[in-house]
Amino acid sequence: AQSVTQPDARVTVSEGASLQLRCKYSSSVTPYLFWYVQYPRQGLQLLLKYYSGDPVVQGVNGFEAEFSKSNSSFHLRKASVHWSDSAVYFCAVSSDTNAYKVIFGKGTHLHVLP
Amino acid sequence: ETAVFQTPNYHVTQVGNEVSFNCKQTLGHDTMYWYKQDSKKLLKIMFSYNNKQLIVNETVPRRFSPQSSDKAHLNLRIKSVEPEDSAVYLCASSYWGRKDTQYFGPGTRLLVL
Repeated sequence: AQSVTQPDARVTVSEGASLQLRCKYSSSVTPYLFWYVQYPRQGLQLLLKYYSGDPVVQGVNGFEAEFSKSNSSFHLRKASVHWSDSAVYFCAVSSDTNAYKVIFGKGTHLHVLP
Repeated sequence: ETAVFQTPNYHVTQVGNEVSFNCKQTLGHDTMYWYKQDSKKLLKIMFSYNNKQLIVNETVPRRFSPQSSDKAHLNLRIKSVEPEDSAVYLCASSYWGRKDTQYFGPGTRLLVL
C-alpha cells in the first residue's frame, strides 16, 4: 500500500522569502512522485514529477523538489515566493503496481503575505 | 483549445434528487477519472475509466455511477443525492499508465440542501 503525508496543513510566509513544503511518502515499491498546485476555484495543475535519476527535479515557476529514498521524502522548495504562489499544494504518489491510482496527500495551504 | 472541460460550474439541489455532471477532454487521452474534493480540500478518487475497464473505488456509494459515450467523455450521475454529497467534483484525464500526468478540469461544485 502507498500513502502520502503532508505534515503542515497551513504555511504562511512573506513575499520574497524561501519556501519548503514537506511531503513524506510510504511505498513498498518504487514510487512515482508528483507535486500539484490548486489555485482558488480551479482544478489541479502539475508543478513537477519524479520517476528516477537526478533526485532534484525542476518544475514550473521556479519550484523544485528533492527526492530522498533514505528519508522517504519529496519536499518542495522555492527560493523566493511571490504573492501569486498562494494556493493549495498537493503531494502525490503512484507506482507500477497501482496503474490507475494516484494517492494524494491532504494538501498544504500556502499563504504568502505581500 | 485542449483541456478538460466540466459543466456545470455550480449546482444546488435538494436531497433525493438526481444530478448529472459532464466532463469532456480534448487532450486525446484514453483514461478519465472522477475525484471528490471535500471542504477541507481532501481528494478522493471515485472512478477511473478507459476503453477497456472501469475501476471503482470500493468506498463509493452505489448511488454514484459513471457514464461514458466515448473516450473523450465521462459523466457522473448521482441517483439520489444526500447532504454528504456536497463537495467539488473534479474530472481528470491522462494516458493509461502510472507515470503520466493527470490533467484536471475546474470542477463542479455541488450543494445539497
